[in-house]
This record gives sequence, structure tokens and C-alpha cells, in this order.
Amino acid sequence: NAGVTQTPKFQVLKTGQSMTLQCAQDMNHNSMYWYRQDPGMGLRLIYYSASEGTTDKGEVPNGYNVSRLNKREFSLRLESAAPSQTSVYFCASRIGYTEAFFGQGTRLTVV
Amino acid sequence: QKEVEQDPGPLSVPEGAIVSLNCTYSNSAFQYFMWYRQYSRKGPELLMYTYSSGNKEDGRFTAQVDKSSKYISLFIRDSQPSDSATYLCAMSGRAQKLVFGQGTRLTINP
Repeated sequence: NAGVTQTPKFQVLKTGQSMTLQCAQDMNHNSMYWYRQDPGMGLRLIYYSASEGTTDKGEVPNGYNVSRLNKREFSLRLESAAPSQTSVYFCASRIGYTEAFFGQGTRLTVV
Repeated sequence: QKEVEQDPGPLSVPEGAIVSLNCTYSNSAFQYFMWYRQYSRKGPELLMYTYSSGNKEDGRFTAQVDKSSKYISLFIRDSQPSDSATYLCAMSGRAQKLVFGQGTRLTINP
């Protein structure tokens, strides 16, 4: 009964390094989302995938790429990390227009 | 301009008070409205879900949606210290894009 699983939970990167944040859900949900959360900014949508094989930009897509690998997995890639990408990243999934379920988050620090 | 606006607070009230939290939005396509609660260092969890306009009540919580004014509210009655958290409004249309407000940090003082 895992729900939405994000890896890693914590990560420190140097400026210019790349990394991929992984997200997997076991609820057979169609839609998956990536958000970043900064103090006082709420959850800002980076990218979302309404179904397997489709992805769309959200509010803050610059500096990120995504891949919907299959129905279960949705990854977020930072090609060249910048200090401005220091944040907590949340992955979420849902079916239809109902409740979105969230992972526990990835705390990323770029130095 | 952000599609969803929410006063980030912080908001501090005494135990037992009625709390009112609000969001405004600009996208007329939004039809599904939600309130999430987030405790420190945790992911958000759904508190209330409303489709289109109207009221919905669940225990001490009431959600209201006024689509004509593009305004949604969450009321908490008989507030408890355990209600202290960040409350986020969220909304979507049929395109599956799910957008959140900035969140309001609420503290209930015993």
C-alpha cells in the first residue's frame, strides 16, 4: 500500500550538476504532477502528465524536463542545477478530477 | 498574474474561534475545487472537495464556492490546536491541470 513514492528524499547538488528525481505510483492513476514548494509560495506546478505518453508545462517549467516512462512512473530531470532550484519537490497523482495523492517530497539543495 | 491567489498569512487565532480562509481565481474553466492541509515537512492531504458552486460541510469544516465571483472559502468551526497547519486551496478544470494557491499558515493558540 505504498501510494506515491519519491526518490531520493534528500539531495545536495553542486551548481551545474544534473540529476533525475523519480516518482512512482501504484494506484493506477492516469494523471501525474511535479510541484516545487518554496517558503510563502505554495505549490507551483512544474509539469504534469494527463495520461501515459503526454506531458504539459505548468507555471514554472524552465530548467526542468520530464518523462512519463509508463503509467506508473513520472520523472523530473534537472539538466544543469542552479541555486534557484533549491526547493522541496512533490510528486502527485490522481484519477479523473478527484483527490490528488502526494509523495513525501524530495528536499533538494543546490550549492 | 497567478491563476489562483491566496493570502499567505500567517493567521493566528485562539482555540474555539471560527477561522475563514479564502482564495480567488481567474480561470473560468475551473470546476473542481479542493482544500488541502499540510503539516510541517509532510505532503499535502485532501481536506475538502467541491464540484462547481455551492456549499459542502464535513464535521467542523465547511467549503463554499462562488463561481460567479471566482471566490472559494473554507470555514473551520470550534478550531483546535491540532488544526494548526498550512491550508492550500487547489482547483482544476477538465484539462487535468491542477493549480494551487500560496497556502495560508494557520496557528490555533490554546
